[in-house]
Amino acid sequence: DQQVKQNSPSLSVQEGRISILNCDYTNSMFDYFLWYKKYPAEGPTFLISISSIKDKNEDGRFTVFLNKSAKHLSLHIVPSQPGDSAVYFCAADSGAGSYQLTFGKGTKLSVIP
Amino acid sequence: GAVVSQHPSWVICKSGTSVKIECRSLDFQATTMFWYRQFPKQSLMLMATSNEGSKATYEQGVEKDKFLINHASLTLSTLTVTSAHPEDSSFYICSAPQGYEQYFGPGTRLTVT
Repeated sequence: DQQVKQNSPSLSVQEGRISILNCDYTNSMFDYFLWYKKYPAEGPTFLISISSIKDKNEDGRFTVFLNKSAKHLSLHIVPSQPGDSAVYFCAADSGAGSYQLTFGKGTKLSVIP
Repeated sequence: GAVVSQHPSWVICKSGTSVKIECRSLDFQATTMFWYRQFPKQSLMLMATSNEGSKATYEQGVEKDKFLINHASLTLSTLTVTSAHPEDSSFYICSAPQGYEQYFGPGTRLTVT
């Protein structure tokens, strides 16, 4: 049973436009959510996170939105740049400071120049 | 941000041999580290939690005797794949938490021939 789902395996966006990556979760115990960016044969790089007590967190071109009632979060990248092309993983923390992350399967973003 | 290193970055070994992978937190101490495994086009799967000074905690379905974890110091955790088989070929990634974030190593590509 997949507790964190990224239903879009891939996404193509024109440079300069907005990229929206979606993530759904089923476990209501998750209280902290993170987005990671990953290049092939490299470890994930932390991008941005959000606590369940918030509904929005912004950091430069990256904004994460959380809808707790829908158990849905999204990552917005604007404007998208070719260097943003990578696989993006959504992850959820099991709570109580466990640091154990549950990952989605990832969405491959391609930003077209 | 914090830096986590892994060594080696890639290794090829023959079936039946053992391989040790090191994970180091370079500029911070980590009483807990995590080991993940990623298959092609799949999510990162948590294998085990490495605890400094005590036994590792393994996720369901992960063989303790096959994947030996030793957390010898506050900056080093090792994963030893014993009696490796071709199906153990994968990308192994470690991570260490600092504050509310987790920092990932660059990963180790293991190929068992």
